[in-house]
Amino acid sequence: DTEVTQTPKHLVMGMTNKKSLKCEQHMGHRAMYWYKQKAKKPPELMFVYSYEKLSINESVPSRFSPECPNSSLLNLHLHALQPEDSALYLCASSWNTGELFFGEGSRLTVL
Amino acid sequence: GENVEQHPSTLSVQEGDSAVIKCTYSDSASNYFPWYKQELGKRPQLIIDIRSNVGEKKDQRIAVTLNKTAKHFSLHITETQPEDSAVYFCAASITGFQKLVFGTGTRLLVSP
Repeated sequence: DTEVTQTPKHLVMGMTNKKSLKCEQHMGHRAMYWYKQKAKKPPELMFVYSYEKLSINESVPSRFSPECPNSSLLNLHLHALQPEDSALYLCASSWNTGELFFGEGSRLTVL
Repeated sequence: GENVEQHPSTLSVQEGDSAVIKCTYSDSASNYFPWYKQELGKRPQLIIDIRSNVGEKKDQRIAVTLNKTAKHFSLHITETQPEDSAVYFCAASITGFQKLVFGTGTRLLVSP
């Protein structure tokens, strides 16, 4: 299995809602990542988990809360988001060799 | 931190021509340089990568070159085909569970 699976594919939420994005990989990778991608822009790193511990937080606002329940799962909890948070949220995983395997992404719209 | 610049931002070629995309990086500690292709509405997918102990790497119609002294690396696509049309991102990082910094992207359009 060489897939990174993300759910949901699309999400529309209001500014007062609480929702979660989910990511799963079964490649035995020990690092998992959340990236945010706006239209016509490169992916921007948000968080890195290595061996299930948060190792990098790129000064992301607290309305985004990551969680890594185990080595195969990564969640991103969303609360009180702003319209400017609308974007494609990409999950990725890797060994420590550097190559990232991306999921198809969750397209988020905040109304 | 690392900063990656990428040029050109758009590139239009005729089918069969070659395409070259160039990137420069700032952190001399970076040692891993991948290239990702992202088709419209799809995920970024790795097409080729190079590590700092190698100067050039080829895979069929694509090749990447690295000049560590000048801190730049390039993607070369030969015999371009319409299905090569996509956005291409270069990136740089230090091997390990580190931050992969992406360039700004190049939109390649291959016309039949």
